[in-house]
Amino acid sequence: EAGVTQFPSHSVIEKGQTVTLRCDPISGHDNLYWYRRVMGKEIKFLLHFVKESKQDESGMPNNRFLAERTGGTYSTLKVQPAELEDSGVYFCASSIADRSYGLYFGPGTRLTVL
Amino acid sequence: KQEVTQIPAALSVPEGENLVLNCSFTDSAIYNLQWFRQDPGKGLTSLLLIQSSQREQTSGRLNASLDKSSGRSTLYIAASQPGDSATYLCAVPSGGGADGLTFGKGTHLIIQP
Repeated sequence: EAGVTQFPSHSVIEKGQTVTLRCDPISGHDNLYWYRRVMGKEIKFLLHFVKESKQDESGMPNNRFLAERTGGTYSTLKVQPAELEDSGVYFCASSIADRSYGLYFGPGTRLTVL
Repeated sequence: KQEVTQIPAALSVPEGENLVLNCSFTDSAIYNLQWFRQDPGKGLTSLLLIQSSQREQTSGRLNASLDKSSGRSTLYIAASQPGDSATYLCAVPSGGGADGLTFGKGTHLIIQP
């Protein structure tokens, strides 16, 4: 069974540019989560999808971040325009059941904003 | 607001030692607690998931305990090996209506051959 995959693994962009991160969850996992770890800080929750619906987006930093999950399969997280403080590692996770039961994490996308 | 603290932040021990990693959380109204492992440049691997009704879980040389009332969990690693070197993260549900997990900053563990 394939795990959670994320693309790209690394992205280096300049301030003001747009970047789109992609996450493919484990097949059959209705729940998809985005997390972020900035340098020196703990991993923080961004948002939670159940199928194509946003269940909780309380962790999204601001309106420069837009997450979508059309069709309830893969998800994208777009940052537009990117700022320096957006640099960090963005993790995606998926699970069959909700309430964070048995989360499977992807390898992360390392985003560097110059 | 849930907060998770992990002690120590870093630990370096010789191979073969038994060791204990500590995790504390401020809101004891949790339904489970997870320990994860993260290798450099890799994602998080779930090691153990303890439900709130359980006091401990074991997987191989790993044993995690949970004392919900005191807001503490420990991860015990027996007979440590160089391959155990990684960052170990503790996470609990954030609560307060939020869906996500609240993570500690982790314990960076180095096992010296």
